[in-house]
Amino acid sequence: KNEVEQSPQNLTAQEGEFITINCSYSVGISALHWLQQHPGGGIVSLFMLSSGKKKHGRLIATINIQEKHSSLHITASHPRDSAVYICAVGGGADGLTFGKGTHLIIQP
Amino acid sequence: NAGVTQTPKFQVLKTGQSMTLQCAQDMNHNSMYWYRQDPGMGLRLIYYSASEGTTDKGEVPNGYNVSRLNKREFSLRLESAAPSQTSVYFCASSEAGRTDTQYFGPGTRLTVL
Repeated sequence: KNEVEQSPQNLTAQEGEFITINCSYSVGISALHWLQQHPGGGIVSLFMLSSGKKKHGRLIATINIQEKHSSLHITASHPRDSAVYICAVGGGADGLTFGKGTHLIIQP
Repeated sequence: NAGVTQTPKFQVLKTGQSMTLQCAQDMNHNSMYWYRQDPGMGLRLIYYSASEGTTDKGEVPNGYNVSRLNKREFSLRLESAAPSQTSVYFCASSEAGRTDTQYFGPGTRLTVL
């Protein structure tokens, strides 16, 4: 079973700061997902990556397959970005394995 | 499109009671999932269904049963609830396989006393 580690567990930053959340995994995968969970519970998929880099608005996700590592970046952070960000990896017969999440708070 | 819907949103049970959590999706997805989310842990798969009429155990299936009633609906049943089943339950669906993008319902917060 893949082991997924996210860092940091908690992050508090000021509005406008550049944010980086990291995800490492132990076994080769076919896809990596970043998800967002707002207070109140709803979970939304942000990105699915198998290589390289993807960008959507102020969010950028990168993956390094050789190093088994992915990062999620938020540029010009805003209080509405406050949420839990979850990394999930998938491959083979095990489906998705989820990290414990990074709790992000952006202060005005 | 409503996406993935779940009922109920909240539920309190006494130990030993039974209940069924309902899930439906209107995206014509083949695969559906039930997860539980507990503090300090990642989402864990309870059961999944790759297609109508098929179900398979996930990581934590004990104490649960599922039914894939049709392509739209996937229900989760607790036959005799235990305090260890206190959790938030999420239903999800995906168009293709288990590593595909999954779309989540709003969750059911269940407390077992």
